[in-house]
Amino acid sequence: GAVVSQHPSRVICKSGTSVKIECRSLDFQATTMFWYRQFPKQSLMLMATSNEGSKATYEQGVEKDKFLINHASLTLSTLTVTSAHPEDSSFYICSASEPMNTEAFFGQGTRLTVV
Amino acid sequence: KQEVTQIPAALSVPEGENLVLNCSFTDSAIYNLQWFRQDPGKGLTSLLLIQSSQREQTSGRLNASLDKSSGRSTLYIAASQPGDSATYLCAVSSTGFQKLVFGTGTRLLVSP
Repeated sequence: GAVVSQHPSRVICKSGTSVKIECRSLDFQATTMFWYRQFPKQSLMLMATSNEGSKATYEQGVEKDKFLINHASLTLSTLTVTSAHPEDSSFYICSASEPMNTEAFFGQGTRLTVV
Repeated sequence: KQEVTQIPAALSVPEGENLVLNCSFTDSAIYNLQWFRQDPGKGLTSLLLIQSSQREQTSGRLNASLDKSSGRSTLYIAASQPGDSATYLCAVSSTGFQKLVFGTGTRLLVSP
């Protein structure tokens, strides 16, 4: 199947700083990528849809000014958590699909801890 | 709004048992359903994808069925092994894009 790479896998940052997470499709081009968040012992919740060359679409309740998404190329989407707070500590994971393929492939995820 | 529920939330079985994980969804107008495996602290591994027009998919010891009209899917694992221990998630897509709604997950523990 297609390969999606996410970096970093773990990050610890101080409150008030910003953290950037990268999601890359390694062997295919993805016009659309998705960002999910998973709190401990809960399931994954969609945060936003990242659209190449245009603005991201955010789910209800997700602050677009706090979670900045940039999809500058067909193989890279980035999620920046701005002015991070301890409550932003979570597992963030991205997904992408090959064109004409309905199967979703996920990155390895990023464990963010804000101290 | 689509809601996905998985039963049981946790399951502990001895090695060798056959087992069934259940997934139900409230809106039957789905595009496809996907089963994933998640190991602790790790990302998701896709196990099986069932299109809305299909009834089941098989891969090795895994078999997933889909009854769209009743809003249900099951994942059957034959001859379970300790290496099968993980959390199993089902997710549905209501559009052609992979915008998924995930279930609550079933934590499986297979003891040697």
